[in-house]
Amino acid sequence: QVQLVQSGAEVKKPGASVKVSCKASGYTFSDYYMHWVRQAPGQGLEWMGAINPSGGSATYADNFRGRVIMTSDTSTSTVHLELTSLRSDDTAVFYCAKDFGGVELLLPSDWGQGTLVTVSS
Amino acid sequence: DNQMTQSPSTLSASVGDKVTITCRASQSIGDYLAWYQQKPGKAPKLLIYRASNLDIGVPSRFSGSGSGTEFTLTISGLQPDDFATYYCQQYNSYVTFGPGTKVDMK
Repeated sequence: QVQLVQSGAEVKKPGASVKVSCKASGYTFSDYYMHWVRQAPGQGLEWMGAINPSGGSATYADNFRGRVIMTSDTSTSTVHLELTSLRSDDTAVFYCAKDFGGVELLLPSDWGQGTLVTVSS
Repeated sequence: DNQMTQSPSTLSASVGDKVTITCRASQSIGDYLAWYQQKPGKAPKLLIYRASNLDIGVPSRFSGSGSGTEFTLTISGLQPDDFATYYCQQYNSYVTFGPGTKVDMK
């Protein structure tokens, strides 16, 4: 079965960067896009972008372009999300989610457990 | 940018009730619409994709309909496990989530 295991909680200062990882298992890693979604405390879901693990090309949402970098490592079936120039309003849970795939492209289907990133001075 | 809206933002209901949530897109998305359920402290769970297709293992009391710009999620016979927040999401052009509808106990 599909499993996405994310790295642990982080505490960062404003202006710093954070890197969150998501290790996949239970399916062919390179065959499915991986999404990243942010959820601020008590707020809704915000799509950050998606990466094609095969080749590493990524598409970023306008709100995050220039501040986010998504990478993939097929040797370890892991994707990484790096968010730079952190602000206090970046405090959130970050989820990775495997794409449904096939004709249902850009549909997050299986989700990781989430990683809480706290930005505080 | 395709904006998604949901109504109501909060819905109070009792076990056994029929519940309907509406989602609207600012531009036509065909039937590229999904619904998720999220409980506090948990990741979202995919319920419905392509407007009306239940994901594997989703109870048949959940149903979805609509196309173009207006969609509905219906829960026929609300169960205790269904109290949660529900999000719609378009995937016709990139990904946009609706703001969510919280279903709580009356």
